[in-house]
Amino acid sequence: IQLTQSPSFLSASVGDRVTITCRASQGISSYLAWYQQKPGKAPKLLISAASALQSGVPSRFSGSGSGTEFTLTISSLQPEDFATYYCQQLNSYPLTFGPGTKVEI
Amino acid sequence: QVQLVQSGAEVKKPGASVKVSCKASGYSFTSNGISWVRQAPGQGLEWMGWISPYNGEKSYAQKVQGRVTMTTDTSTSTAYMEVRSLRADDTAVYYCAREERSGYFIYWGQGTLVTVTS
Repeated sequence: IQLTQSPSFLSASVGDRVTITCRASQGISSYLAWYQQKPGKAPKLLISAASALQSGVPSRFSGSGSGTEFTLTISSLQPEDFATYYCQQLNSYPLTFGPGTKVEI
Repeated sequence: QVQLVQSGAEVKKPGASVKVSCKASGYSFTSNGISWVRQAPGQGLEWMGWISPYNGEKSYAQKVQGRVTMTTDTSTSTAYMEVRSLRADDTAVYYCAREERSGYFIYWGQGTLVTVTS
């Protein structure tokens, strides 16, 4: 299952509302996760099952979608949110990641 | 607390092999699968495969099938990944991650940089 993300690069300001889209090449129900990765660090799980916010993740992050189209929304971008975001499908092996969306100032 | 601690950085020549370890603690090792994910410099995340410490069941990505072997040692709660016939494009940070029931990853190792250079 192939995943595409758009945009691949996003320039935004603190306080902006940001939306990242992930599309799957075939239906994956709600078997999708979102990760945040900062340079030199392992990815951090933000959302599982398309919309379930991981414990400890700020509520400004939200996920939605099912089937083939999914979105990650950051309602009000904070300085610590500048990072690269990846979607991952959990529907079937081989597990696959999207190519990433880099969010920069 | 759950921890995954990986072995240190490696420098290898093309054609050589490398074996990376991932020692788990803070949970029952056989309760969750371990996946390996790599990230080439400046690139995205690539899932390499999965192993069940419970029964040894495995699944490998097609791209690395035949060059990668994943194993576990339940006596030491350690997972291993060996990559053979290394090429320059195997240069990457290799992560192990504990796979939750639905296939996502909460806990990750710190990463192991493998550099393949002549």
